Amino acid sequence: GQQLNQSPQSMFIQEGEDVSMNCTSSSIFNTWLWYKQDPGEGPVLLIALYKAGELTSNGRLTAQFGITRKDSFLNISASIPSDVGIYFCAGQIQGGSEKLVFGKGTKLTVNP
Amino acid sequence: DTEVTQTPKHLVMGMTNKKSLKCEQHMGHRAMYWYKQKAKKPPELMFVYSYEKLSINESVPSRFSPECPNSSLLNLHLHALQPEDSALYLCASSAGQGFGEAFFGQGTRLTVV
Repeated sequence: GQQLNQSPQSMFIQEGEDVSMNCTSSSIFNTWLWYKQDPGEGPVLLIALYKAGELTSNGRLTAQFGITRKDSFLNISASIPSDVGIYFCAGQIQGGSEKLVFGKGTKLTVNP
Repeated sequence: DTEVTQTPKHLVMGMTNKKSLKCEQHMGHRAMYWYKQKAKKPPELMFVYSYEKLSINESVPSRFSPECPNSSLLNLHLHALQPEDSALYLCASSAGQGFGEAFFGQGTRLTVV
């Protein structure tokens, strides 16, 4: 099936540091979504991107839809302990159906 | 309101039991999804309903049977499951055509004994 390559797999940072993670694919995507998931809970939508080159912010979060439509990144500025969790990228492939493909996730640990 | 409600939150069932998972949304979304998630893995798509019709079945075993009674409700009927089916089952919904944001429920933690 279609694959999204998400990196890094895990990150250990100090509170206050900035964080960056990204996803790449060999396929062109119509939509990129970024989710955060806490243990035992469902993924929570953070940011949605729909246009190539689009840069969108949500508080301390910023995400961009790559110009080639094959990649996206998520930045978190001034991290805080509650940022801990697993971050997933997800996307809908161009010409595909409603199928949403997920990356493998980035596990973020923030040390106070 | 971007809420997707799943019940029950936890379920323990035997391999001979029949049970159902339920999902409800009132956002007017026309696409609804079932995902299965194992520990430390991303969600894995099982089924998609679009306008109350099954549009995607990702080769899921027949012991999982989805049902969409109306545009707000989605069920997953379970029968003769195996211990390896234990996982977090997630429901999601989106606007449908042209996609858009997909919102997830909190999931049902299923344990098959």
